[in-house]
Amino acid sequence: RKEVEQDPGPFNVPEGATVAFNCTYSNSASQSFFWYRQDCRKEPKLLMSVYSSGNEDGRFTAQLNRASQYISLLIRDSKLSDSATYLCVVNRGNQFYFGTGTSLTVIP
Amino acid sequence: EAGVVQSPRYKIIEKKQPVAFWCNPISGHNTLYWYLQNLGQGPELLIRYENEEAVDDSQLPKDRFSAERLKGVDSTLKIQPAELGDSAVYLCASSLQLNTEAFFGQGTRLTVV
Repeated sequence: RKEVEQDPGPFNVPEGATVAFNCTYSNSASQSFFWYRQDCRKEPKLLMSVYSSGNEDGRFTAQLNRASQYISLLIRDSKLSDSATYLCVVNRGNQFYFGTGTSLTVIP
Repeated sequence: EAGVVQSPRYKIIEKKQPVAFWCNPISGHNTLYWYLQNLGQGPELLIRYENEEAVDDSQLPKDRFSAERLKGVDSTLKIQPAELGDSAVYLCASSLQLNTEAFFGQGTRLTVV
């Protein structure tokens, strides 16, 4: 079983829509959690860390459910510039485990 | 502050030739990672360093891949000889402390022909 599983999509949504991505992780000993964004032919960049209490950064909200071992990312009021691949990342023992990424395209 | 720097950005070589990639992590970051990323996939770890020590190289194909991190700063990843299947993006990343986020370099896109 993969350490981190994500729906690869693609998700095609109109501007202004709300879109949610989920990811599951297999090891309950995982310690920290992140969402990274990766643009085409670019390196992954940290979007936000994910905390147990949930956290929000502008239009982005991340949630962590340790009991069910899943992480979510909600994007409100989607912009064209949000089009990218979103990688779910789990850290355990200073080792990062990446999902395959979820592709998002925001359509005018 | 400078981010993670990698070179070269692109490399095209013939199969069976050697190739080397270089990475300079963010200053003060003790942990350095080399990842391989294929199209449509997430990065996959090749090797992780804590200072000069390679603490996890279980996924490194040691028959052809080697890496070093002398003085616990810069790192070099080498492939000798390269195979067609090695074509991918090689990403270097570094992190400051246990369980904190990793920062990535721009990667080296390798094409083996």
